[in-house]
Amino acid sequence: GDSVTQMEGPVTLSEEAFLTINCTYTATGYPSLFWYVQYPGEGLQLLLKATKADDKGSNKGFEATYRKETTSFHLEKGSVQVSDSAVYFCALTFGGGFKTIFGAGTRLFVKA
Amino acid sequence: DAGVIQSPRHEVTEMGQEVTLRCKPISGHDYLFWYRQTMMRGLELLIYFNNNVPIDDSGMPEDRFSAKMPNASFSTLKIQPSEPRDSAVYFCASSLGGSDTQYFGPGTRLTVL
Repeated sequence: GDSVTQMEGPVTLSEEAFLTINCTYTATGYPSLFWYVQYPGEGLQLLLKATKADDKGSNKGFEATYRKETTSFHLEKGSVQVSDSAVYFCALTFGGGFKTIFGAGTRLFVKA
Repeated sequence: DAGVIQSPRHEVTEMGQEVTLRCKPISGHDYLFWYRQTMMRGLELLIYFNNNVPIDDSGMPEDRFSAKMPNASFSTLKIQPSEPRDSAVYFCASSLGGSDTQYFGPGTRLTVL
């Protein structure tokens, strides 16, 4: 079945370090791919998305490229800040707003 | 827009009691989702509605759980009777048909003693 696998956390980085959180997926069709972020005590919110192969989603300095050949959607940021500390979820959906499949989440801690 | 609204934000109850969680989706959204989040199991989809009609309730763990959406602006998730293993954060989310993005509420933290 369709699934999303992301790297286990927690990931601990110093401020201004480079961030990569790996995400790979298994899908029978051509899904849209997402990264959601959950800050402490809050619900998930969309960080970025890509709807077709080779698309790059970007927001707040974060980027991810939809790689169909490697079925991946890795999240990157060149210089993290303490305020980026949160849980990051990779997800896929086949559209229409129904049944998004979420990964297990990766917790990021950024130290000052 | 106020976003997705959930109430209560925190609920503490005793085993065996009935619990009702409430959700108001974003106005105009036609899909509504209920999720449960725990450390052990992560984020689980319980049920979702389209135009107030339940589409998939395969994630509802047991008959003790039920969800309703009497109109486009209100949904409830009820647990009766509640058990300690139901302790979790319950999220409601909504989306607009044709758009993939889901908008989450702040969640209800449920503790069953």
